[in-house]
Amino acid sequence: DSGVTQTPKHLITATGQRVTLRCSPRSGDLSVYWYQQSLDQGLQFLIQYYNGEERAKGNILERFSAQQFPDLHSELNLSSLELGDSALYFCASSLDTNNEQFFGPGTRLTVL
Amino acid sequence: GENVEQHPSTLSVQEGDSAVIKCTYSDSASNYFPWYKQELGKRPQLIIDIRSNVGEKKDQRIAVTLNKTAKHFSLHITETQPEDSAVYFCAAIRAGFQKLVFGTGTRLLVSP
Repeated sequence: DSGVTQTPKHLITATGQRVTLRCSPRSGDLSVYWYQQSLDQGLQFLIQYYNGEERAKGNILERFSAQQFPDLHSELNLSSLELGDSALYFCASSLDTNNEQFFGPGTRLTVL
Repeated sequence: GENVEQHPSTLSVQEGDSAVIKCTYSDSASNYFPWYKQELGKRPQLIIDIRSNVGEKKDQRIAVTLNKTAKHFSLHITETQPEDSAVYFCAAIRAGFQKLVFGTGTRLLVSP
């Protein structure tokens, strides 16, 4: 157990819908990262927050957005969902940048 | 930006043999290189990491070597066991930047 929690574990929804994925970092970690992992694919970096502020953006679609709240938990919002958005979404946290990242268990999103 | 290439994409060994996975990176300013192990359907877990001021690091059966001049780093697993079977990802990050760039992964299969 890495100390990073993610909810829900599984999510099944339809095209065109909107979902919210939630992540709670390890106690004391200020950085939160979101990654997308499609079937048999690598880890694609989406976005990073540090102490409530956006720090870096990867290949995140405009239909996706995220935020980090004052209690440091983070939410990833996915809207106008398409079949191709089906993937595992991982959250990771670290004390600061350039430190080891600890991954949560992931949320498996299935878009039908 | 940073680009990380990883080889081989699949690797099959017999139990007890050694396994070597290699990664090359493009940004000479990268200074942190973690390795993650991901079992099927589970979270990536950090197994070892190395910083640019060190050439080699070892932890029991696992070792990582870094050649800054050639911009490549390698994961070495000795005395492989069936439970080592997983997908292994290398990654690189540059100090001051926020984005951890992952390699495409190596699927290691250790046969009893």
